Amino acid sequence: EDQVTQSPEALRLQEGESSSLNCSYTVSGLRGLFWYRQDPGKGPEFLFTLYSAGEEKEKERLKATLTKKESFLHITAPKPEDSATYLCAVLNSGGSNYKLTFGKGTLLTVNP
Amino acid sequence: GAVVSQHPSRVICKSGTSVKIECRSLDFQATTMFWYRQFPKQSLMLMATSNEGSKATYEQGVEKDKFLINHASLTLSTLTVTSAHPEDSSFYICSARPLGNEQFFGPGTRLTVL
Repeated sequence: EDQVTQSPEALRLQEGESSSLNCSYTVSGLRGLFWYRQDPGKGPEFLFTLYSAGEEKEKERLKATLTKKESFLHITAPKPEDSATYLCAVLNSGGSNYKLTFGKGTLLTVNP
Repeated sequence: GAVVSQHPSRVICKSGTSVKIECRSLDFQATTMFWYRQFPKQSLMLMATSNEGSKATYEQGVEKDKFLINHASLTLSTLTVTSAHPEDSSFYICSARPLGNEQFFGPGTRLTVL
């Protein structure tokens, strides 16, 4: 069974204080690992897809990296508007149903 | 691109009534659509997967007679919560998958059953 564990559950940062969120995963075959951002009361917003170990993707202050066991979402010099819950999900390469397995998320709060 | 809408965004209904939620992919054709529910401070729980013109595939423990899913076209899926009860109150979110691996989510529908 696929498993995704995100840590920490919650993270408080001061504006400008860089940090990383972790996503550890267990999957029989990885088709893709996805990062989403979710604001309160809204649906998840797609951020990145990573497919193979060593791959990196960047968008503004966010950079996602991938190894064979985990992914990191690095946040450089965060701003208060980066406050949100960040969700990690994996897609197994087996089967054809494209079901995602989500972690429980990391609630990020950036204080001004 | 890859915009998904949901309607309504919020609905309050009396116990025993049925509620229909629409999910539309606005700028792409969705090979597959998914329906999730999310409880406060919890992650998304997949309810069912649907492909256009086919019967939905429900996850274990999800009552298919209670949560009716219709995927009539490549841009529209509907979820009908039949005979809703207070325990069905939740945040329902749909997602749509174009040809690739990514899923794009709608803004969600908050259902409150009195």
